[in-house]
Formats: sequence, C-alpha cells, structure tokens
Amino acid sequence: GAVVSQHPSRVICKSGTSVKIECRSLDFQATTMFWYRQFPKQSLMLMATSNEGSKATYEQGVEKDKFLINHASLTLSTLTVTSAHPEDSSFYICSARDRLGAWGHGYTFGSGTRLTVV
Amino acid sequence: AQSVTQLDSHVSVSEGTPVLLRCNYSSSYSPSLFWYVQHPNKGLQLLLKYTSAATLVKGINGFEAEFKKSETSFHLTKPSAHMSDAAEYFCVVSNTGFQKLVFGTGTRLLVSP
Repeated sequence: GAVVSQHPSRVICKSGTSVKIECRSLDFQATTMFWYRQFPKQSLMLMATSNEGSKATYEQGVEKDKFLINHASLTLSTLTVTSAHPEDSSFYICSARDRLGAWGHGYTFGSGTRLTVV
Repeated sequence: AQSVTQLDSHVSVSEGTPVLLRCNYSSSYSPSLFWYVQHPNKGLQLLLKYTSAATLVKGINGFEAEFKKSETSFHLTKPSAHMSDAAEYFCVVSNTGFQKLVFGTGTRLLVSP
C-alpha cells in the first residue's frame, strides 16, 4: 500500500535554531501534501496545504514565515520550523494525497515528528 | 462547511466485548468519511473509508462502519475488542474536492483484560 516516510521521528533543538522535517511518498505521487500539528491528547490541526510546484496555502493563524513549506517534487515535501521556540514544541504529522484523492490511495499519513525545543 | 462530532471522548470496554465509537457528521453534500486510528506517538492509520458506495463499510482488523444519511452518523464498530485495539480513534470528513480533511476531536478506546 501507499507509504509516507517522515523524518526525523524525534528532534530536540535549541531555542532560536531551525529544524527541517521531511516527508517522502515512497510508492505514489503526492500531488498534495498536508501538514498538521497535534498537541498532547488533542486532535490534529491543519497547518497548511501544498500542491506540488505551488506555494503552500496556510490556515488562518499559522505564521507563514515561521513554518516554511516546500513541495518541490511529487515525492518530497519539507516543513522548516524557523527560529524555533519552546511553544513550537509539538507533534507534527504530514499527510500525502495523490490526484485521485479518496478514490485512489486516499490520504496517507507519515509517522509523525516529535519536536522539542529547549 | 463540513464537520464531525465524536460523541465520546473515552470509551472503555473489556477484551472480547463489542466496540462502538460514535460519530455524527455535518455536510451540505454527500460526504466522504473516514476512520483513522492513532497509537501513541505514531502517525495515523486508515481503518476504513466511505465514498458514496456501499453504506456498510468493512475495514481492517475487524472494524466496520455504517453510513446512515437519515441519522447523519458514521459509527465505528467491532464485534470483539482486542487489547491491541487500545488507541485514539478519529472520525474524519473530507471537503469538496478532497482538498482538506476535517478531524473530530478523537475517542480514546481503553481495553481492559
């Protein structure tokens, strides 16, 4: 089945530094990638949607300059948390969709990245 | 706008007994609905999906869900719970064109021996 590989699974960084999270679709073309943030014991909050080769569309309240999303190819999307602060600590999950959406592979999720900013 | 309401934040069952996780949806058109499971510190795994085909949908690990338009419900069931079913379950609806998924608040399933 469809697989999305997300790395790293855990990262600890110092306040003020930047962290890059990668998501790769291994066996299908991810025409659309979604990035979510999940707080402890809460649901997933959509941060942004990106289509391959286009600029990402950010949800209201999400800082574009802090959370940089690149979707330069059909198999790779990255989320860079710039100038990270402790309040950015969270669980980040990507999800990829091919052009068929729910009738194709559907939405395939990565395994998540636990970011801790100290 | 589309939305889903998961009626229980926690459900506790004994191993071997039936599981019922409730979900109501709101949508101005015929929706696509999903159930996902998340184990601690893991990503989400698709259990099953409804995309306007058969109203009774069978998924993995013995789970199934029935789409009931008259009740705007998409409850998840399993005849016999297993310890490994303990996890967080999300009911999800997609918007027009499948551009976004809207998540419910989740139901934590606890399974006791």
